[in-house]
Amino acid sequence: DGGITQSPKYLFRKEGQNVTLSCEQNLNHDAMYWYRQDPGQGLRLIYYSQIVNDFQKGDIAEGYSVSREKKESFPLTVTSAQKNPTAFYLCASSPSGGSTLNGELFFGEGSRLTVL
Amino acid sequence: EDQVTQSPEALRLQEGESSSLNCSYTVSGLRGLFWYRQDPGKGPEFLFTLYSAGEEKEKERLKATLTKKESFLHITAPKPEDSATYLCAVPPPTDSWGKFQFGAGTQVVVTP
Repeated sequence: DGGITQSPKYLFRKEGQNVTLSCEQNLNHDAMYWYRQDPGQGLRLIYYSQIVNDFQKGDIAEGYSVSREKKESFPLTVTSAQKNPTAFYLCASSPSGGSTLNGELFFGEGSRLTVL
Repeated sequence: EDQVTQSPEALRLQEGESSSLNCSYTVSGLRGLFWYRQDPGKGPEFLFTLYSAGEEKEKERLKATLTKKESFLHITAPKPEDSATYLCAVPPPTDSWGKFQFGAGTQVVVTP
């Protein structure tokens, strides 16, 4: 079945370490996104990519980095520069990321990162 | 700044007790309003899209409606399996489609 796979589901990090969250999709979607979810807050956009080898910062990109070398993959690295990284991270995709009307986002199951 | 606000934050219902959730938005030039359901520890799952005032969509016990300033998600005769957090989201009036503004959600608990 088509969908979005995130891994790992749970991740623990010591302060000062970088960690990478994986996101893979087999929906043949052009656009992919990373959101962060904290209790009591709406999802906030970290980075998004509309096409391979191109990505843009979202609202809270500081302390994060991404790459988009393949259409199917959009990994997120949480760097040691991110001051408060403990959160639930969600990867999503859509057929296109342009300005035209384009339907809903498809989400993965999420990755929960805890900094010890 | 464009905002999406959901109320109430939490809702506790008895099985069969109908109620409504609210999503108000300040985005001008609405290109669509989306409702999602999110179970604990899972990613959001798409429910509905509404594009214009007066539009209604239904799915089982859920019905979504849209006015010029807000949307309602009506839950009719809920069952315990309807327990979840319900999120609404709107895309920006211009700019990249994927830069959605999400509300904080309404957590619904339905007890038998």
